[in-house]
Amino acid sequence: QVQLQESGPGLVKPSQTLSLTCTVSGGSISSGGYYWSWIRQHPGKGLEWIGYIYYSGSTYYNPSLKSRVTISVDTSKNQFSLKLSSVTAADTAVYYCARGDGYSGYDFIYWGQGTLVTVSS
Amino acid sequence: DIQMTQSPSSLSASVGDRVTITCQASQDISNYLNWYQQKPGKAPKLLIYDASNLETGVPSRFSGSGSGTDFTFTISSLQPEDIATYYCQQYDNLPPAFGPGTKVDIK
Repeated sequence: QVQLQESGPGLVKPSQTLSLTCTVSGGSISSGGYYWSWIRQHPGKGLEWIGYIYYSGSTYYNPSLKSRVTISVDTSKNQFSLKLSSVTAADTAVYYCARGDGYSGYDFIYWGQGTLVTVSS
Repeated sequence: DIQMTQSPSSLSASVGDRVTITCQASQDISNYLNWYQQKPGKAPKLLIYDASNLETGVPSRFSGSGSGTDFTFTISSLQPEDIATYYCQQYDNLPPAFGPGTKVDIK
């Protein structure tokens, strides 16, 4: 059974960079076939897809965040990571990592439990 | 980007009632639509993929239909454990986008 677990600071100061890591167990990122995504949810709001990375390192980012987002992968640790720069209070959200399944790569069946990141001084 | 809308934003129904949620895309997305259930404090759970296919292990009281721009999600007989927020998600075009959600409560 595939499991994902987010980790990283729960509090980030404005203008700094948010950094999160997703550790995957029960399956190997390097086996290919899946898009590894980050998705966030503002408090009490809907879901926003941030971007994905493939095991090869290819990425696609949501244009709304593209200038501030970097997603990377470390296949040796079976992890992928999110960096979001120049954060503001508007980036306060629960951040989820998820595996994209299905022929499209966007059927999100496996999710982490989510981690709340608060942007505040 | 494709925009998704849902209606209603919330609803209250009795146990055993038939519940229907609609989702509309800003342009034709064929059948590239998923439905998720999210309970408080939990990650979303995929219920329906490709607009009408039931994900493995999901109860048959859940169903989906539609294509193009208009989609429907139905709970045939509402159960207490169905209290949640339901989201549609398109994946025809990048970026994949979610609807704003429909919160379902028990009356």
